Amino acid sequence: KAGVTQTPRYLIKTRGQQVTLSCSPISGHRSVSWYQQTPGQGLQFLFEYFSETQRNKGNFPGRFSGRQFSNSRSEMNVSTLELGDSALYLCASSSTSLYINEQFFGPGTRLTVL
Amino acid sequence: AQTVTQSQPEMSVQEAETVTLSCTYDTSENNYYLFWYKQPPSRQMILVIRQEAYKQQNATENRFSVNFQKAAKSFSLKISDSQLGDTAMYFCAFMTVNSGYALNFGKGTSLLVTP
Repeated sequence: KAGVTQTPRYLIKTRGQQVTLSCSPISGHRSVSWYQQTPGQGLQFLFEYFSETQRNKGNFPGRFSGRQFSNSRSEMNVSTLELGDSALYLCASSSTSLYINEQFFGPGTRLTVL
Repeated sequence: AQTVTQSQPEMSVQEAETVTLSCTYDTSENNYYLFWYKQPPSRQMILVIRQEAYKQQNATENRFSVNFQKAAKSFSLKISDSQLGDTAMYFCAFMTVNSGYALNFGKGTSLLVTP
């Protein structure tokens, strides 16, 4: 089985722009979670989607949004980029609705905001 | 607030030796799950081991084992017979029933295995 894929792997944007990151979960996985990783704040939960519905959301401003499609692929969008949004964005997928299931992580998208 | 503390930002161990990474957490919930994740320089996060809080027996996965002390809210990771490929950032994380599907991570411990 192919693992979790994220595109693009690297992205450079300027302040004020918006960006969309994509995540394709492992085939058959219906839950997709997003995390932001920065040197200062570490790994922080953004949101989680299951069957096209957002089930949980972390403590991030409304500039961060996401969605999930019927094929379980997910996108996250950041509008009006700020320098502090520079981070590694990780996507993780899980097979069922049971939260104890292992989350499989993708390689991440490195976003740099100039 | 639910927090995870990894008090060792960096550690070093020689090949074939044993090393223990510490982790403490704080939660008021009784039903939760604990994890250790490894993030090598390639940055792909990999699950190393997990422990259900309701289980008294410590989890083991080959060279990796945990020492779970529920009363002390401690969850340390022991790596036996360390290998060069174990060099990575190690993150302790937990997930509670009420947190939904959100993993709550510690800041990580950078482990260097030397020849």
